[in-house]
Amino acid sequence: KQEVTQIPAALSVPEGENLVLNCSFTDSAIYNLQWFRQDPGKGLTSLLLIQSSQREQTSGRLNASLDKSSGRSTLYIAASQPGDSATYLCAVYSGSARQLTFGSGTQLTVLP
Amino acid sequence: KAGVTQTPRYLIKTRGQQVTLSCSPISGHRSVSWYQQTPGQGLQFLFEYFSETQRNKGNFPGRFSGRQFSNSRSEMNVSTLELGDSALYLCASSFQGDQETQYFGPGTRLLVL
Repeated sequence: KQEVTQIPAALSVPEGENLVLNCSFTDSAIYNLQWFRQDPGKGLTSLLLIQSSQREQTSGRLNASLDKSSGRSTLYIAASQPGDSATYLCAVYSGSARQLTFGSGTQLTVLP
Repeated sequence: KAGVTQTPRYLIKTRGQQVTLSCSPISGHRSVSWYQQTPGQGLQFLFEYFSETQRNKGNFPGRFSGRQFSNSRSEMNVSTLELGDSALYLCASSFQGDQETQYFGPGTRLLVL
């Protein structure tokens, strides 16, 4: 059974800092990995999707990497801003399960 | 293009009642998945529908059911509500479901008293 872990559970940084969020998964037989953002009481916004054959994806100040063999992904946020404050979730799509399995998220606070 | 919409946004029910939630996917999307989000369990997969057929189901009791219509809109039903069913219910749509970006709606927050 696929399990996804995110560390740290919460992170508080001053504005302008570069930061890294971590995600690990137990079963490397994945089709893809997605990073989402969730604002309080809201739905999920997709940030980046990395296919299993890819090593990284970039969108603006965000860069996500994937090391499938070691079961790890990182989300790098450059020059953080208060508007980046949210919970960041990673999820893996496993072909055998045909569903997204989510981590418990990292709650990020960027202080002005 | 309009995003995924869910109705109602908020709902209060009492134990033993039943509830129906609705999800309208992005136009052209044929796959709709449902998730339950609670503080204790996080996001858990309920089921996925594709072209009116349930293609996959998570580990939830039979009180949770769903269906999809020919226009890809989906409904989720929970019968005999329990206090533990209080949660944010999210639906997500994609064109075919596999290996694609999932687009989530704003969710329906259900409170069971």
